[in-house]
Order: sequence, then structure tokens, then C-alpha cells
Amino acid sequence: NAGVTQTPKFRVLKTGQSMTLLCAQDMNHEYMYWYRQDPGMGLRLIHYSVGEGTTAKGEVPDGYNVSRLKKQNFLLGLESAAPSQTSVYFCASSRQGRGPEAFFGQGTRLTVV
Amino acid sequence: LAKTTQPISMDSYEGQEVNITCSHNNIATNDYITWYQQFPSQGPRFIIQGYKTKVTNEVASLFIPADRKSSTLSLPRVSLSDTAVYYCLVGDPNAGNMLTFGGGTRLMVKP
Repeated sequence: NAGVTQTPKFRVLKTGQSMTLLCAQDMNHEYMYWYRQDPGMGLRLIHYSVGEGTTAKGEVPDGYNVSRLKKQNFLLGLESAAPSQTSVYFCASSRQGRGPEAFFGQGTRLTVV
Repeated sequence: LAKTTQPISMDSYEGQEVNITCSHNNIATNDYITWYQQFPSQGPRFIIQGYKTKVTNEVASLFIPADRKSSTLSLPRVSLSDTAVYYCLVGDPNAGNMLTFGGGTRLMVKP
């Protein structure tokens, strides 16, 4: 049971380049989330999804797009990377309903130069 | 979403009990209180969740007073490995957006 898997683990981008981060979960969870965490700070919610085919904006959605075409996958896209997007990105998933705990991936460390 | 307030940092010594309090004055009727632990370079890990009174598991206890405007995470007999950041979250698990993190409390356990 792999849980939540993020791909890639590390990436360096040049300003203006685009990329897609992949999050895959094998727990049949309805909810999935993308966060960013800057050094010494808490996690900030970028986008989330409450089910296949649905997405919603979180606290800091600007500069990012997401898609959830399959229940097990949640993709985070950066259309034109900026140095301000240098961060560690975490994906998480959880069940719907009372008392769910969220499971997090190992993170993707992204540097934009 | 209910906003939470926690101490920025706390120090303790091995073997002591640590209590971290979280304030959430505008908690809603359907909101649950959830605590996560995060080690450096790792994603957060669920510790405990509760709605009211007291909840205990093998890792921690969660105390919630009757008015639910605050909660206290209690870690019994901490060890060096409990050094981490602890986050208090408040939200409705049926709303799908309960996972909004604040700044957390950085706990340092000393020998």
C-alpha cells in the first residue's frame, strides 16, 4: 500500500518554464489537496478537489492550475514558473465524512531560477 | 473556516508532559478539531481528532472544553523524537476544505 505518491521529488525550473506535478493515491479517497510550504512557514492550501472532475481554489491559487480527471490522481500545473513559486509542494488525500484523517505525500522540492 | 491561534514555539525536556493550546473562538457547530505533526522535510502526519470533551489514543490526548473555543493537545512523557511542528486545524470534515493550516507550534524537546 503506497498511500500518497508525489512525482517528481525534486525539480529545478527556469523562470517562465512550465511543469506538472503529479499526485497519486491508492486509498480510494474522495478528497485531494495541494499545498505549498515556504521555509519556516506553515502549509498554505493552493487548490483542492472533493471528487473526480471537481476542483476548487484554496488560499493561494494564483499562478497554478489543477485537474482531477481520475479519482486517484490530482495534477498541479505551473504555466509560467516564477521565483516566488520556489517552495516545497505537498499533496494530501482524505476520505469524505466524519473523522477523516489526511495522508500526505513526501513532498516535491521545486526551485525556480 | 474557523481561524486558529497557537503559540509559535515551546521548549520542553525529555520525560515531561507537554500541553499545546489552540484558540478557535469562532468554531462552528459542525467543525471538528484535528492536530497534525510535521517533522523537517516530511509531510504532516495525523495525530488526533475530536469534537468535544476528551479524546485519547496511543500518541496523545485532546482536551476540549464545553464551549469548544479552545483545545489542548497533551503529549505525555515527550522524547527527543517528539521535536516537531504541531498544527491545530478546525473545520467541517464534510465540507471538503477543512485542511487549512496555520503557522503551527514548533516544539523543541531538550535532553
